[in-house]
Amino acid sequence: AQTVTQSQPEMSVQEAETVTLSCTYDTSESDYYLFWYKQPPSRQMILVIRQEAYKQQNATENRFSVNFQKAAKSFSLKISDSQLGDAAMYFCAYRSGGQTGANNLFFGTGTRLTVIP
Amino acid sequence: DTGVSQDPRHKITKRGQNVTFRCDPISEHNRLYWYRQTLGQGPEFLTYFQNEAQLEKSRLLSDRFSAERPKGSFSTLEIQRTEQGDSAMYLCASSKSWITGNTIYFGEGSWLTVV
Repeated sequence: AQTVTQSQPEMSVQEAETVTLSCTYDTSESDYYLFWYKQPPSRQMILVIRQEAYKQQNATENRFSVNFQKAAKSFSLKISDSQLGDAAMYFCAYRSGGQTGANNLFFGTGTRLTVIP
Repeated sequence: DTGVSQDPRHKITKRGQNVTFRCDPISEHNRLYWYRQTLGQGPEFLTYFQNEAQLEKSRLLSDRFSAERPKGSFSTLEIQRTEQGDSAMYLCASSKSWITGNTIYFGEGSWLTVV
């Protein structure tokens, strides 16, 4: 079974600084996808960034980038130039890439990010 | 905005009562998922539909839970004889199924409190 581990329950960062959130996962599959979701206090889960396992290049979305280490099964999220609006719960998630089955998401327990003005 | 919508957003019910939540997915999405999230935890998969067919159910989905998607559009999640342990956020999500690895989009959730 797939498991996703986020070892940092809470993190804080000064506004405009950079922070890295950690995520490791365990799987025996070779085809899968990894995601970072953000859940602000309003509770809606919002996709931040996604990474296909077959791609060696790390995904980037504006101020958000990932460090995907497939052999180490590590998938960290880097937030540059942190803004007050980045404060939220961040979830790392895994999804099988198979063509059959639910392909549902397996989530970590989350990291609560606080941005200090 | 044509995102995933859920109703009601909040529900307080007495133990033993039945509750029903509704989810309207993004219109072109034929996959619909239900997740449950308790405080301090990540969402946990409950069940999913492809069109009107319920294709997978988690062990978390006890006999008191039933989900339907009668016409392949909106879905309902009913909890019968609620227990205090059912208190959680129930999240609905949807995605396209013909593109491998497509993104799952979430609604704002329905928060259930059983007293």
